Amino acid sequence: DGGITQSPKYLFRKEGQNVTLSCEQNLNHDAMYWYRQDPGQGLRLIYYSQIVNDFQKGDIAEGYSVSREKKESFPLTVTSAQKNPTAFYLCASSPLNSGYTFGSGTRLTVV
Amino acid sequence: RKEVEQDPGPFNVPEGATVAFNCTYSNSASQSFFWYRQDCRKEPKLLMSVYSSGNEDGRFTAQLNRASQYISLLIRDSKLSDSATYLCVVSPGTYKYIFGTGTRLKVLA
Repeated sequence: DGGITQSPKYLFRKEGQNVTLSCEQNLNHDAMYWYRQDPGQGLRLIYYSQIVNDFQKGDIAEGYSVSREKKESFPLTVTSAQKNPTAFYLCASSPLNSGYTFGSGTRLTVV
Repeated sequence: RKEVEQDPGPFNVPEGATVAFNCTYSNSASQSFFWYRQDCRKEPKLLMSVYSSGNEDGRFTAQLNRASQYISLLIRDSKLSDSATYLCVVSPGTYKYIFGTGTRLKVLA
């Protein structure tokens, strides 16, 4: 079955550490996205990529980095520069002008 | 003004009731519109796209009013399982979508 897979489901990070969240899709979608969701708030765009080896900053890119070396993969690194990283991170993919398909998310907690 | 605005609710309705949500958007050039459903602590899932002529999927009806820049979602004969947060999504026609903060619906037995 085609889909989008995020891992891990839960992640705990110590202050000052970088962590990488995985996102893989086998839907053959060109575009991939990373969103962050905080309690009681909407989804905020971190980064997105329309094609391999190209990506753009979203609204809250500071403290995050991404890569898009393969069409299927769009990992997100949360760096130590991100001051408030505890959140629910959602990866999505889409073809042009069609709805997103989301992964099941990663809950990141700073301990 | 936010790009996409929704009433956060919650809307508490009895089973069998009809409930409607509106969502306003600020960019008149927006081209694509969607409703997503998000259950607690889960990822959003596409409920339905919204077409200019309006569209229906079972108990759900979505409408677009370009003149007033809003979309609506109507749920008829509400079920307990409809309890969720409903997210309005608007796209200017590129890959980038803008999400509303969602409207919470609680259907009560």
